[in-house]
Amino acid sequence: GAVVSQHPSRVICKSGTSVKIECRSLDFQATTMFWYRQFPKQSLMLMATSNEGSKATYEQGVEKDKFLINHASLTLSTLTVTSAHPEDSSFYICSARDGGRGAETQYFGPGTRLLVL
Amino acid sequence: DAKTTQPPSMDCAEGRAANLPCNHSTISGNEYVYWYRQIHSQGPQYIIHGLKNNETNEMASLIITEDRKSSTLILPHATLRDTAVYYCIVRGLYMDSNYQLIWGAGTKLIIKP
Repeated sequence: GAVVSQHPSRVICKSGTSVKIECRSLDFQATTMFWYRQFPKQSLMLMATSNEGSKATYEQGVEKDKFLINHASLTLSTLTVTSAHPEDSSFYICSARDGGRGAETQYFGPGTRLLVL
Repeated sequence: DAKTTQPPSMDCAEGRAANLPCNHSTISGNEYVYWYRQIHSQGPQYIIHGLKNNETNEMASLIITEDRKSSTLILPHATLRDTAVYYCIVRGLYMDSNYQLIWGAGTKLIIKP
């Protein structure tokens, strides 16, 4: 299956700092990537949809100025959590759409666990 | 809200077939049935998907009823590593209004030795 990587796998930061998470599709080109957030014992919640070369589309209730998304190439999207606060501590997961296999399937990265102190 | 209904949990003995049911009675004609699983503290893993016909790959088989209102994911020989939360999701094609993956609570499958 298609491979999606994320970096870092976990990060601890102080309140008020910014954190950047990278999402890469390793063996396919992804015109569309998605960012999700998952709190403990809850399901994944879509935060935003990111299309290469254009602005991301954010879900209702997600602050676009706080969660900056850049999708500058067909294999890389980044999520920057600006001025992070303890309530931003969560498991952040990206996925990439592979439309080239006829499956219209999203493949997920391993996730990044963010802890804001 | 998720458009599927799954049992919250199931047990299965190691080596046996695990059969995970999913109800999607409101599925529309252009919606596919997708199955993902999430092992603790990892990102979801794609398993299989289908539209009308039964499907099989190296991981599992997907049986979809003729009226498409329900389906069953079959793991033919379950191992301890198959312990995970399994999600059944219905969604349309890219750029359709129903393209988004909407995650319910899934079925927590526990494989017992």
